[in-house]
Amino acid sequence: GENVEQHPSTLSVQEGDSAVIKCTYSDSASNYFPWYKQELGKGPQLIIDIRSNVGEKKDQRIAVTLNKTAKHFSLHITETQPEDSAVYFCAASSITSYDKVIFGPGTSLSVIP
Amino acid sequence: SAVISQKPSRDICQRGTSLTIQCQVDSQVTMMFWYRQQPGQSLTLIATANQGSEATYESGFVIDKFPISRPNLTFSTLTVSNMSPEDSSIYLCSVSRGNRNTEAFFGQGTRLTVV
Repeated sequence: GENVEQHPSTLSVQEGDSAVIKCTYSDSASNYFPWYKQELGKGPQLIIDIRSNVGEKKDQRIAVTLNKTAKHFSLHITETQPEDSAVYFCAASSITSYDKVIFGPGTSLSVIP
Repeated sequence: SAVISQKPSRDICQRGTSLTIQCQVDSQVTMMFWYRQQPGQSLTLIATANQGSEATYESGFVIDKFPISRPNLTFSTLTVSNMSPEDSSIYLCSVSRGNRNTEAFFGQGTRLTVV
């Protein structure tokens, strides 16, 4: 089955700097890659996603890139703000696996004011 | 998007007892899933709740321990049976509309403590 790895496990940045989180996946059939933000005591919230027919997607301060050949995808947050502090999960899903979403281990991001 | 309500939001249970968690969605969805999130950990898929048939369990999870029902396209339950302290976790319901629209949305979760 699918295995998703994520690095780093913790990340601390100064407010205004950029943060980058990298993930790899194992199943070449995976075709959908969402990113979730989880704040303390809450369920994961979808913040951005990318499909396998696209190499990059941007939404305001957040961007995702996908290298399907290398099975790598990354989350980039620019101009970080204290409210960006949370745990971020990358994930992978395949329509051949009935849309099951498999999560990476997570990255705890701290933005220091 | 989809609005997902989970009940209860939290509970403290005695070992050996069972707890049933409810998941209600505000609209019909194709796929419903149950996840477990142990303290400080990532989300692990327990099973896919299939409407009108038995749930599909992931490796390491069995029906006797985690029976699941899905009577219709907007509702599902997960029971944690014969609980032990190791079952203390957050249990989350997730939904997806399927049909290549694979965005998955999550409820707020049920925080379970077994004492």
